[in-house]
Amino acid sequence: EVQLEESGGDLVQPGGSLRLSCAASGFSVSGNYMSWVRQAPGKGLEWVSSIYASGHTYYTHSVEGRFTVSRDTSKNILYLQMNSLRPDDAGVYYCARLADIRWLDYWGQGTLVAVSS
Amino acid sequence: DIAMTQSPSSLSASVGDRVTITCRAGQSISQYLSWYQHKPGKAPKLLIYGASTLQTGVPSRFSGSGSGSHFTLIINNLQPEDSATYYCQQSYGTSYDFGQGTRLEIK
Repeated sequence: EVQLEESGGDLVQPGGSLRLSCAASGFSVSGNYMSWVRQAPGKGLEWVSSIYASGHTYYTHSVEGRFTVSRDTSKNILYLQMNSLRPDDAGVYYCARLADIRWLDYWGQGTLVAVSS
Repeated sequence: DIAMTQSPSSLSASVGDRVTITCRAGQSISQYLSWYQHKPGKAPKLLIYGASTLQTGVPSRFSGSGSGSHFTLIINNLQPEDSATYYCQQSYGTSYDFGQGTRLEIK
């Protein structure tokens, strides 16, 4: 059974850093395409980043240069390193599997990030 | 980035109704369009991919159509559990932009 479980969300001050984790089971993170999607309070879903099976990474413009997506093959975990956090980065962060590079077929339950002084 | 515009932003319908949600892309995206259902406190759920292919386990009252830049999600025989926010998402290229969402309320 495919499962995804995010962790690492926390309250952090503006300018701070946080690393989110997404533990996968039932499939290999390194052999698949993965994404991070977020939802700010009261807002809609926003694609944040993707990592392809090849290792290529992609980001939405607002996080480029501040966020880094990576994976640990041995632990089967997806990460999102978030630096220079801003208040508008706050929200629930979901990891999801990107099937055939096109659609998000499995999602985690999300982890909450708050950015405030 | 590709702008994705959904309409309406919200709607209210009764059990048994048929509802249509529209998604327009800022450029042609062929059929690289997915639909998701999102309920508060839950993980989003994939409904439709490839513009018209129903995800396994999704009730057949959900259907999708369209290509190019104009797409529709239709829900027939509306059920109480269909109350949710619905999002379209494009996957043309290497960005995966969502529409702003359509909030569906069941009267």
